[in-house]
Amino acid sequence: GDSVTQMEGPVTLSEEAFLTINCTYTATGYPSLFWYVQYPGEGLQLLLKATKADDKGSNKGFEATYRKETTSFHLEKGSVQVSDSAVYFCALGSNYQLIWGAGTKLIIKP
Amino acid sequence: GAGVSQSPSNKVTEKGKDVELRCDPISGHTALYWYRQSLGQGLEFLIYFQGNSAPDKSGLPSDRFSAERTGGSVSTLTIQRTQQEDSAVYLCASSLGRQLAGGRTDTQYFGPGTRLTVL
Repeated sequence: GDSVTQMEGPVTLSEEAFLTINCTYTATGYPSLFWYVQYPGEGLQLLLKATKADDKGSNKGFEATYRKETTSFHLEKGSVQVSDSAVYFCALGSNYQLIWGAGTKLIIKP
Repeated sequence: GAGVSQSPSNKVTEKGKDVELRCDPISGHTALYWYRQSLGQGLEFLIYFQGNSAPDKSGLPSDRFSAERTGGSVSTLTIQRTQQEDSAVYLCASSLGRQLAGGRTDTQYFGPGTRLTVL
């Protein structure tokens, strides 16, 4: 069945460092791909999405490109801030259901 | 407008008791989803409503779990005879419920969740 694999955390970086969180997927058909973020004590928030191959989703300085050939949707940010500390979830949408990666905890140190 | 709201935000109950969790979706969203977030299992899909109908109940973990939606709006997730393994954060989401090409999923917007602790 469909599945999502994302890199395990925690990922610890210094402020202004470059961030990559890897996400790969297995799916039949052409799913939508999402990144959600969960800040401490808060609910899940949509960070960005892409609905077809080669689409690039972007928001708040984060980007991810839907790569069909490598079945990947890696999350990147050029310069992270302490406020980016959170848990990041990659998700695959197939029909109505979201299938989730395990989540990656990101810790940014000043 | 307001986002998805859930109540209560926290619920502590004793093993064997029944609990009801409530979700108010975004106004105008026809689709509603329940997920569970637990330490051992990560995020799991439970059930999906389109309007008042639930085409897919396959994610419900056991027959102790049930859900309903009335008036195409508010939904209630009920857990009967709670067990300690039911302890988790229960998340509700809603979406416009559009039928997208290729079976793609419409964006789902999440509520803050209900943290359930079964003692």
